[in-house]
Amino acid sequence: AQKVTQAQTEISVVEKEDVTLDCVYETRDTTYYLFWYKQPPSGELVFLIRRNSFDEQNEISGRYSWNFQKSTSSFNFTITASQVVDSAVYFCALSEAVWDNFNKFYFGSGTKLNVKP
Amino acid sequence: DAGITQSPRHKVTETGTPVTLRCHQTENHRYMYWYRQDPGHGLRLIHYSYGVKDTDKGEVSDGYSVSRSKTEDFLLTLESATSSQTSVYFCAISGQGNYGYTFGSGTRLTVV
Repeated sequence: AQKVTQAQTEISVVEKEDVTLDCVYETRDTTYYLFWYKQPPSGELVFLIRRNSFDEQNEISGRYSWNFQKSTSSFNFTITASQVVDSAVYFCALSEAVWDNFNKFYFGSGTKLNVKP
Repeated sequence: DAGITQSPRHKVTETGTPVTLRCHQTENHRYMYWYRQDPGHGLRLIHYSYGVKDTDKGEVSDGYSVSRSKTEDFLLTLESATSSQTSVYFCAISGQGNYGYTFGSGTRLTVV
């Protein structure tokens, strides 16, 4: 069965600190997709990144970076030089193999990030 | 234009009453989904649809039904609302050229 674990319920940092959000997943599929979504206080869900199981390259987008390691079934998310606007709940999600862009997601319970000025 | 809208945004209802939430999309995407968000659980799939009149159950479907009579509309019905169904409900769509989901803004439902 698919499962996503975000063990960090809540993290508080001071602005400009780096912070890493952990995500560990379980699946028996050899082909799968991993996602990160951001939910700011306004409540909407914002797509951040999608990674397929065959692509273990780390990705960097501005202050955001993602470390995908199949050996440890982890897909961790790092924010460098955090800002107050990064305060949000972050969800990691696992999708079974996608066909025709059909996605059945399994979400982690989320990590609430508080960035203090 | 958001491409996906949910209505109502907020609703308070009494235990035992039927409730219908609506999801409307303008993207002509084939797949539509209903999730509920609860503290400590993240988002959990209730039902999904892979075409008009084609729907299936997710992991927390008990007490819910859905219908999709048109590509653009996906309705979620609580037959007889209970307090345990107090939650935030999100609709999502996916389809050609869309990686992952596009989510609606959510409906906050309170059952008293």
